Amino acid sequence: GQQVMQIPQYQHVQEGEDFTTYCNSSTTLSNIQWYKQRPGGHPVFLIQLVKSGEVKKQKRLTFQFGEAKKNSSLHITATQTTDVGTYFCAGYSGNTPLVFGKGTRLSVIA
Amino acid sequence: DGGITQSPKYLFRKEGQNVTLSCEQNLNHDAMYWYRQDPGQGLRLIYYSQIVNDFQKGDIAEGYSVSREKKESFPLTVTSAQKNPTAFYLCASGRQGYIQPQHFGDGTRLSIL
Repeated sequence: GQQVMQIPQYQHVQEGEDFTTYCNSSTTLSNIQWYKQRPGGHPVFLIQLVKSGEVKKQKRLTFQFGEAKKNSSLHITATQTTDVGTYFCAGYSGNTPLVFGKGTRLSVIA
Repeated sequence: DGGITQSPKYLFRKEGQNVTLSCEQNLNHDAMYWYRQDPGQGLRLIYYSQIVNDFQKGDIAEGYSVSREKKESFPLTVTSAQKNPTAFYLCASGRQGYIQPQHFGDGTRLSIL
């Protein structure tokens, strides 16, 4: 079945450094979504990408959907302590529920 | 306020006991989902439902059961057949269609005594 891989599993950065997490799917996706889970919290929907090559920005966060619609990335510019948490991508490729990646846990050292 | 309510927040189970986790939503969403989260494992789908009185098994349904008698409610029973039930359980809901974003509850942390 469909698989969604996410790398890296963990990332530790100094506050102010940039951060990127990558998501790769074994199948072509119709839609990819990104979620953030704060420590001790629940996942919260951030954004969804639908079009090939699409780029969306939310303040310091930049989301990209690959041209082949099989990969995606989330880039955070100048991380802050409020960015701490686990970032999940989730892919949709057909008439089945979203498939979540295992997530990238981001730690920010002040 | 609209949202998803999971209860209890913490639950302890004795060996051989069935326990039921509650999930209620007032978002008028058609779809509801149950996930299990273990450290480093991401979110694994247990059961899902797109409509009342209908539900499907996810990737790790063994040892679990659900019901969907009302649109607002999707309780999950962890049976004694689930040999490793200690985990964080998340309920989610969304508009009709798997492509729709999901809204999550605060979760229930289940532990074995």
